[in-house]
Amino acid sequence: AQSVTQPDIHITVSEGASLELRCNYSYGATPYLFWYVQSPGQGLQLLLKYFSGDTLVQGIKGFEAEFKRSQSSLNLRKPSVHWSDAAEYFCAVGAWYGNKLVFGAGTILRVKS
Amino acid sequence: DVKVTQSSRYLVKRTGEKVFLECVQDMDHENMFWYRQDPGLGLRLIYFSYDVKMKEKGDIPEGYSVSREKKERFSLILESASTNQTSMYLCASSSRVGQETQYFGPGTRLLVL
Repeated sequence: AQSVTQPDIHITVSEGASLELRCNYSYGATPYLFWYVQSPGQGLQLLLKYFSGDTLVQGIKGFEAEFKRSQSSLNLRKPSVHWSDAAEYFCAVGAWYGNKLVFGAGTILRVKS
Repeated sequence: DVKVTQSSRYLVKRTGEKVFLECVQDMDHENMFWYRQDPGLGLRLIYFSYDVKMKEKGDIPEGYSVSREKKERFSLILESASTNQTSMYLCASSSRVGQETQYFGPGTRLLVL
């Protein structure tokens, strides 16, 4: 069965600093991986997705992620965080043949000025 | 743009009441999902539907039922609401082709007293 671990429940970074959010997955075949963001009081918005190919994936809002098969990870990065990036971030994994996703517990990002 | 709407942003119900949460999508998506979101647990799949009148149980279906009479509409029903069903409920939809992105509604925050 698929599973996702986001080791950090909360992360606080200063505005302008770099950011890395961790995501580890468990899945027996080639995974489909997603990062979503949820701003306070809102639904989830897709930041990026990884299916195959280049291990560096570009997303929206200046985010990118690097897939490392050896570490079963898709870590989310941003070189310079803005106050508007404060939100909760979810990693999810799915199989190509189905549309069900399994989500991690989420990481809450706080940005201090 | 894909739009997923949910009938209420906030609901307050009493224990034992029958509760209906409705979700409508405007992109002709085959798949629709209901998730429950709780702090520290991420999103957990309650039910999903891959076609009209078709449904499958997710990871936590107990205490819930669903209805999909039209392609664009997916309803979540709490037959007899209980306090442990106080939560945020998120609806999502996706195309059936491969592992397509799920698009989320804004969520309904339900409080059961």
